[in-house]
Amino acid sequence: EAGVTQFPSHSVIEKGQTVTLRCDPISGHDNLYWYRRVMGKEIKFLLHFVKESKQDESGMPNNRFLAERTGGTYSTLKVQPAELEDSGVYFCASSQARTSGGYNEQFFGPGTRLTVL
Amino acid sequence: AQSVSQHNHHVILSEAASLELGCNYSYGGTVNLFWYVQYPGQHLQLLLKYFSGDPLVKGIKGFEAEFIKSKFSFNLRKPSVQWSDTAEYFCAVNQYSSASKIIFGSGTRLSIRP
Repeated sequence: EAGVTQFPSHSVIEKGQTVTLRCDPISGHDNLYWYRRVMGKEIKFLLHFVKESKQDESGMPNNRFLAERTGGTYSTLKVQPAELEDSGVYFCASSQARTSGGYNEQFFGPGTRLTVL
Repeated sequence: AQSVSQHNHHVILSEAASLELGCNYSYGGTVNLFWYVQYPGQHLQLLLKYFSGDPLVKGIKGFEAEFIKSKFSFNLRKPSVQWSDTAEYFCAVNQYSSASKIIFGSGTRLSIRP
């Protein structure tokens, strides 16, 4: 079974440009999450989709970030315009719809390393 | 506010030494607790988890962790480390019986001298 995949693995852009990151969750997983790790700091939650609906977007830093999940399959995260502080590793994770015994494992992708110059 | 604190940013050990990585959390309500590991060049993966029952949980590769509710702690241990344990380790928490977001600690980088 394929795991969570992310594209691209690495992106280098200049300040003011636009970048779109893509995440393909594990097939059949209704929950999809975006997280970000800025250099040397903790991995921080950005938002959570249940199918195509945004369940929790409390971690989105500002309106330069736009996440979509049309059709409830893959998701994109667009940063427009990018700023220097957006540099970091963006992780995607997915999990099944139902919790089992109080627990719902999130499976993580390899991340996209974004560098804004 | 919900938070997870990891006590060490970087730990250096020799092979066969014992390991204990500290983790404390601040979270209202019943929680699930996790340790994730990221080996060099690999995905973040689950090392072990606690959601109920025996507070001493065992994970992959000989790791274990103990949940002490009164101390809000979930320390990771391994009696004898190997060079292949070199990785970054993350303590994390989320709300019990929920598909909610995970809150991570800042990570501990473990370096093992061969």
